[in-house]
Amino acid sequence: DAKTTQPPSMDCAEGRAANLPCNHSTISGNEYVYWYRQIHSQGPQYIIHGLKNNETNEMASLIITEDRKSSTLILPHATLRDTAVYYCIVSGGGSNYKLTFGKGTLLTVNP
Amino acid sequence: GAVVSQHPSWVICKSGTSVKIECRSLDFQATTMFWYRQFPKQSLMLMATSNEGSKATYEQGVEKDKFLINHASLTLSTLTVTSAHPEDSSFYICSARDPGQGEEDIQYFGAGTRLSVL
Repeated sequence: DAKTTQPPSMDCAEGRAANLPCNHSTISGNEYVYWYRQIHSQGPQYIIHGLKNNETNEMASLIITEDRKSSTLILPHATLRDTAVYYCIVSGGGSNYKLTFGKGTLLTVNP
Repeated sequence: GAVVSQHPSWVICKSGTSVKIECRSLDFQATTMFWYRQFPKQSLMLMATSNEGSKATYEQGVEKDKFLINHASLTLSTLTVTSAHPEDSSFYICSARDPGQGEEDIQYFGAGTRLSVL
């Protein structure tokens, strides 16, 4: 699976949009981009995933660049409960569907 | 999203005893489940992949005789830490793969089990 690079930490003001970047320059054509988050002392929570098109669900939006070498997770209106470590993971899916967790980005939402 | 239940959430045991952790997919059938371990201030590390009805596949460096995995049904996988020692104290997390459609499988995670070995 391709490796990802994320900033170790970011801050965001409550109510503002949080934009979390991820670089995955070695991603291959059949690999998806997955985003999970982990709130302290809990299991990871699935947020969103995509292949090449931008995606949106009730939690977030995922913007993938045209060359697929990077992506941005957008939380449109961050709340204090969004404070967590956010993981960007690239995986091939199917029988090779293993998730390799990096260090992620600690997002701190401030009041 | 789909729900994965993990039990117990916290266990304290004496050194040398065995501990069993259960992972259940509540609203979908999971042919594949995964077990992770997370030490303080570190990221999740995959321990093993569990396929229903067959032997688990362990990651390099994980002792299969120490961490026994059973995936006897499409909704239940268990991890047994045998002869636990203080160095096995960690946060153990399971996940279950929801087959979904085609290649777009999503893993859903349990809440985790914090194991403390005295």
